[in-house]
Amino acid sequence: AQSVTQLDSQVPVFEEAPVELRCNYSSSVSVYLFWYVQYPNQGLQLLLKYLSGSTLVESINGFEAEFNKSQTSFHLRKPSVHISDTAEYFCAVTGGYQKVTFGIGTKLQVIP
Amino acid sequence: SQTIHQWPATLVQPVGSPLSLECTVEGTSNPNLYWYRQAAGRGLQLLFYSVGIGQISSEVPQNLSASRPQDRQFILSSKKLLLSDSGFYLCAWSAGTVDTQYFGPGTRLTVL
Repeated sequence: AQSVTQLDSQVPVFEEAPVELRCNYSSSVSVYLFWYVQYPNQGLQLLLKYLSGSTLVESINGFEAEFNKSQTSFHLRKPSVHISDTAEYFCAVTGGYQKVTFGIGTKLQVIP
Repeated sequence: SQTIHQWPATLVQPVGSPLSLECTVEGTSNPNLYWYRQAAGRGLQLLFYSVGIGQISSEVPQNLSASRPQDRQFILSSKKLLLSDSGFYLCAWSAGTVDTQYFGPGTRLTVL
């Protein structure tokens, strides 16, 4: 069985400050990890993913996440957030032969 | 390019009425198809997924059902809606389990 834990349901942060959204997973097999973003009243969009290779993956809009196998984590970070980053962020995991399991989401609120 | 459509965008239905939500994908063949429900504070819950025509896997026992009458068409139905069926319904497709999921714009269902 696989599961995803997003410990923070809401994260308020001031504009231009750094942010970290935490994600921990459990899986009995090799994992593939994803971060999706959902803007209000829209569907989810892929932000970044880890399949193999470098444990540090980056998105085009400045987010990055690091796969840490020993800590079973895939935390999402950005050194300086913008108002436009206000959204809900979902971490997801799959073992390859199983369905994708999503976390409950973290709402990032960027304060001007 | 691939696109995914969902309709209607919003729906208000009385308790006990039937439901039919439709999802279609363009620009790809034999996609994996998914129905999710997003309720406030509960994150993303996988309801059904399909790896081919007529092949439906149900994740959560409930009064909802799904069908895949064509390769790129996925329908979510109910014979009698409950108050607890209210939520934001998202359809998604992927080329495979470890591939990115692409989400539709969603349907906001309110059961009164």
